Amino acid sequence: DIQMTQSPSSLSASVGDRVTITCRASQSINYSLNWYQQKPGKAPRLLIYAASSLQSGVPSRFSGSGSGTDFTLTISSLQPEDFATYYCQQSHSIHPMYTFGQGTKLEIK
Amino acid sequence: QVQLVQSGAEVKKPGSSVRVSCKVSGDTFSTFGFSWVRQAPGQGLEWMGRIIPIVGSANYAQKFQGRVTITADESTSTAYMELSSLRSEDTAVYYCAGPNSGTFDLWGRGTLVTVSS
Repeated sequence: DIQMTQSPSSLSASVGDRVTITCRASQSINYSLNWYQQKPGKAPRLLIYAASSLQSGVPSRFSGSGSGTDFTLTISSLQPEDFATYYCQQSHSIHPMYTFGQGTKLEIK
Repeated sequence: QVQLVQSGAEVKKPGSSVRVSCKVSGDTFSTFGFSWVRQAPGQGLEWMGRIIPIVGSANYAQKFQGRVTITADESTSTAYMELSSLRSEDTAVYYCAGPNSGTFDLWGRGTLVTVSS
């Protein structure tokens, strides 16, 4: 199975900060990478699909980039509602084991 | 509006099995690709397996091979996940997700399965 490794596992930041979370796949997955946000007690919410496409309804301060094995999620200016846990997930159809990263908990500094 | 409606919470004994259901409302069931994702208390998301009803066959994460069975019933627009030989470490919230087999922009609310003697 493809392994997904996120870093950092936790992050403290302030409202207005620019934040970047990285995700690395153990082998190439081309652009087949999704990002989710999860708040306590809630189901995950899709933010970015296919590495860089913004899901409908998601604020434009969220962006994704990368291809192959290395990917990033960037939040350009943190808002209070962005403090949550973020997960990457590979969706490569040739490897239909849609592994998640271990998550990055974004906390208020 | 498409929704995924999951069955209610379950309490099971170690060694038993549990079946969780996920009913699609408002969309064409056969074109869905369902995945099951679980989350143990305080832990991350763990993909368990998927089924595409129009294809019929399921794929499973290696960790759950032999213990999980994912099925779909087109007549009731419902997908099922059955996990056997339950142990305490299987205590988790189980989510169904879709509609694409690899990208999940639709989630059920989750079903809490508690394994306890």
